[in-house]
Amino acid sequence: NAGVTQTPKFRILKIGQSMTLQCTQDMNHNYMYWYRQDPGMGLKLIYYSVGAGITDKGEVPNGYNVSRSTTEDFPLRLELAAPSQTSVYFCASRGYLGGWSTGELFFGEGSRLTVL
Amino acid sequence: KNEVEQSPQNLTAQEGEFITINCSYSVGISALHWLQQHPGGGIVSLFMLSSGKKKHGRLIATINIQEKHSSLHITASHPRDSAVYICAAINTGNQFYFGTGTSLTVIP
Repeated sequence: NAGVTQTPKFRILKIGQSMTLQCTQDMNHNYMYWYRQDPGMGLKLIYYSVGAGITDKGEVPNGYNVSRSTTEDFPLRLELAAPSQTSVYFCASRGYLGGWSTGELFFGEGSRLTVL
Repeated sequence: KNEVEQSPQNLTAQEGEFITINCSYSVGISALHWLQQHPGGGIVSLFMLSSGKKKHGRLIATINIQEKHSSLHITASHPRDSAVYICAAINTGNQFYFGTGTSLTVIP
């Protein structure tokens, strides 16, 4: 199993450009998440999904969009990039074990995005 | 006020020392995760626990639900343990709350 794979690892964008961060997991996990991590700050939730076709906003969704057409894929779209979106982005997933039980979090390796 | 508070923020230890990192949370939880983030940036899950204690190698995690407190202990610390350790609480609505992390440096 590859786990959670996210691409690209690094990207430099100009203000106003758009891009998509790709995230794929091969563990058949229901839950998928996009976080951003700014220096000295905790992980902030951008968007999450509880299954294919279902997405919802997190704490900091402005400037981003997501889709979940399959269980495996959860791409994050940045429209009209702004310097405030310079950050490290992490995709994560976890499985549902039944009842209140959920599994461990698995993270991708991160994508470092700079907007100039 | 953050829902999850960690202490200390930074910690430097000599190789071989016993290390404790603390996590307090203010939300009702279904589970608590301890994560490790290495200097290269990748994040891995160390423990997920909802009660009692778990041990993996030199790492021990404990949780006291009544006191809303968890600790991560590292016995016989080693320079390769140098990393940022993050506490994350998940409530019954499956919402995660992350601490800002404890940066650990173990000196040979």
